[in-house]
Amino acid sequence: EAGVVQSPRYKIIEKKQPVAFWCNPISGHNTLYWYRQNLGQGPELLIRYENEEAVDDSQLPKDRFSAERLKGVDSTLKIQPAELGDSAVYLCASKLSLGLAFNEQFFGPGTRLTVL
Amino acid sequence: AQTVTQSQPEMSVQEAETVTLSCTYDTSESDYYLFWYKQPPSRQMILVIRQEAYKQQNATENRFSVNFQKAAKSFSLKISDSQLGDAAMYFCAYRRMDSNYQLIWGAGTKLIIKP
Repeated sequence: EAGVVQSPRYKIIEKKQPVAFWCNPISGHNTLYWYRQNLGQGPELLIRYENEEAVDDSQLPKDRFSAERLKGVDSTLKIQPAELGDSAVYLCASKLSLGLAFNEQFFGPGTRLTVL
Repeated sequence: AQTVTQSQPEMSVQEAETVTLSCTYDTSESDYYLFWYKQPPSRQMILVIRQEAYKQQNATENRFSVNFQKAAKSFSLKISDSQLGDAAMYFCAYRRMDSNYQLIWGAGTKLIIKP
């Protein structure tokens, strides 16, 4: 079974340019997460989707970041315009959420963004 | 607010030896999960082991085991018979029992394995 797929793996852009990241979760996983991971730190949650609904986006910088998961499957995270401080690894994760049972989050390999 | 602290930015161990990574956390909840994740240089985060707070028995997964001290809010990871493939960043994380609650992460410990 395929894991969480992310593309691109690496992206280098000039500041003020737009950038988009794509994530395809594990088939059947209804919950999808976007994280940002700065160098030497743990991941920071940006947004969580339950199917196509964004249920936790309190830490998403909405002035420049946007995300969508239109059909409740794959998702796109966009930054426009990018700033130097946006350089980080952007991780996508998914899990199957069923009631109160524990379900593991599975992570993709991430996209390393460098803003020059 | 819940916090997770990993006080060891970097640890090194000789191959085949045992190493312990430390983690402390702060919470007012009584029921929660604790996790250790491994992130190799390729960056894919992998769940190593989890512990339910209501369980007194320490979790084990092959060469990986934890020492869970609920009263002290301590959750250390022991890796026995260290292998070169164990080299990675290790993150401790906390989550309330509510599955909709987010993971709270520590800053990570870089584990170096010396051949």
